Amino acid sequence: QVHLQASGPGLVKPSQTLSLTCTVSGGSISNNGYYWNWIRQHPGKGLEWIGNIYYSGTTYYNPSLKSRVTISIDTSKNQFSLDLSSVTAADTAVYYCASCPGYSSLFDSWGQGALVTVSS
Amino acid sequence: QAVLTQPSSLSASPGASASLTCTLGNGISVATYRIYWYRQKPGSPPQYVMRYKSESDKQLGSGVPSRFSGSKDGSANAGILLISGLQSEDEADYYCMIWQDSVSVFGGGTKLTVL
Repeated sequence: QVHLQASGPGLVKPSQTLSLTCTVSGGSISNNGYYWNWIRQHPGKGLEWIGNIYYSGTTYYNPSLKSRVTISIDTSKNQFSLDLSSVTAADTAVYYCASCPGYSSLFDSWGQGALVTVSS
Repeated sequence: QAVLTQPSSLSASPGASASLTCTLGNGISVATYRIYWYRQKPGSPPQYVMRYKSESDKQLGSGVPSRFSGSKDGSANAGILLISGLQSEDEADYYCMIWQDSVSVFGGGTKLTVL
């Protein structure tokens, strides 16, 4: 299993864009058959899947967030990224990156999570 | 109507069994789906527990004890995670999940207390 680490600003102002990067180590992000995911968890609440990206660049997004989300991949850096635009306080959450092999469709490795607070 | 509904909390005694349910709504049938279960302890990311679709299509996560098992209740349109011989270490939040049209959907989670 790979190791994932999310990084980015811990504080974002309302209406701005939240940007996070997940660095993958212990394996190649170009591994055929893997989907790279972003999942968030509001404080004290449950899990919400944001979307994922295949190494080829194909993306799938949660319909409830699709208009504001962009997930991209940089195979040269073994990283994938999340951009969430026009944020509000409701986007305050811990953001996890996770890997998902297509053959099993389960989230087998998770990063520790990055807390992002949206506040002026 | 939420796609996946879980009881918010469940309490059980050490050594007893706990049955965690995940009810499918919005007109979707539990028979169609693999139900994935994740466990989360405070301050840690979720961890895969198991998946269950049928007795011939199930998988326990690496390192997860055989005390954990899955099933379905077709009449209730629900997936079930059964934990037998409860131990204090089983205390955690448990989430069910399905894939629906390439979109992952989580239930709201059940807080399992072992006391």
